[in-house]
Amino acid sequence: NAGVTQTPKFQVLKTGQSMTLQCAQDMNHEYMSWYRQDPGMGLRLIHYSVGAGITDQGEVPNGYNVSRSTTEDFPLRLLSAAPSQTSVYFCASSPGVGNTIYFGEGSWLTVV
Amino acid sequence: GDSVTQMEGPVTLSEEAFLTINCTYTATGYPSLFWYVQYPGEGLQLLLKATKADDKGSNKGFEATYRKETTSFHLEKGSVQVSDSAVYFCALSLISSGSARQLTFGSGTQLTVLP
Repeated sequence: NAGVTQTPKFQVLKTGQSMTLQCAQDMNHEYMSWYRQDPGMGLRLIHYSVGAGITDQGEVPNGYNVSRSTTEDFPLRLLSAAPSQTSVYFCASSPGVGNTIYFGEGSWLTVV
Repeated sequence: GDSVTQMEGPVTLSEEAFLTINCTYTATGYPSLFWYVQYPGEGLQLLLKATKADDKGSNKGFEATYRKETTSFHLEKGSVQVSDSAVYFCALSLISSGSARQLTFGSGTQLTVLP
């Protein structure tokens, strides 16, 4: 059982470049979300989805887009990367019933 | 809004010492409470959880009790090991109509256990 899978694990971008962080889960979870982790600030919610075709903004959505065309996948897009987006990104999913949230292993992104 | 306040780190202990990491929360409803652990270079793993007042979550020798009267969920372990060195996050989750099960995190507490 793969759980929540994120790719890539490490990425270096130049300012202004675009990229997509991939997230897939094989647990048939309805809920998926993206967090960023910055030193001394814990994890902050970027975007989330309550099901295929439905997305909404979290605490820090600016500079990021998401889509949820299938239950399994929830990609996070950076349209024009900025140094302030240097962070560790975590994708998470949870089932429609019950409240345990499962995390991927993280994606370390550096924008230079 | 909802928030979680954790004891600031870093915390350094000797092996077999007693561990307490304080966590208090503010929430408008009745949250579920969690402790997550992040080992170096890895993602977050659920350590334990409690879903209602007076519940005690436990795992791997760690315990935490949901105290509604003090809005707290302190993490404890009677005898820490070097392998417990990690960052520990307290978090809460509120379920409201139409929203996802989102987590609100504390800032994390770095624990280092020395042999």
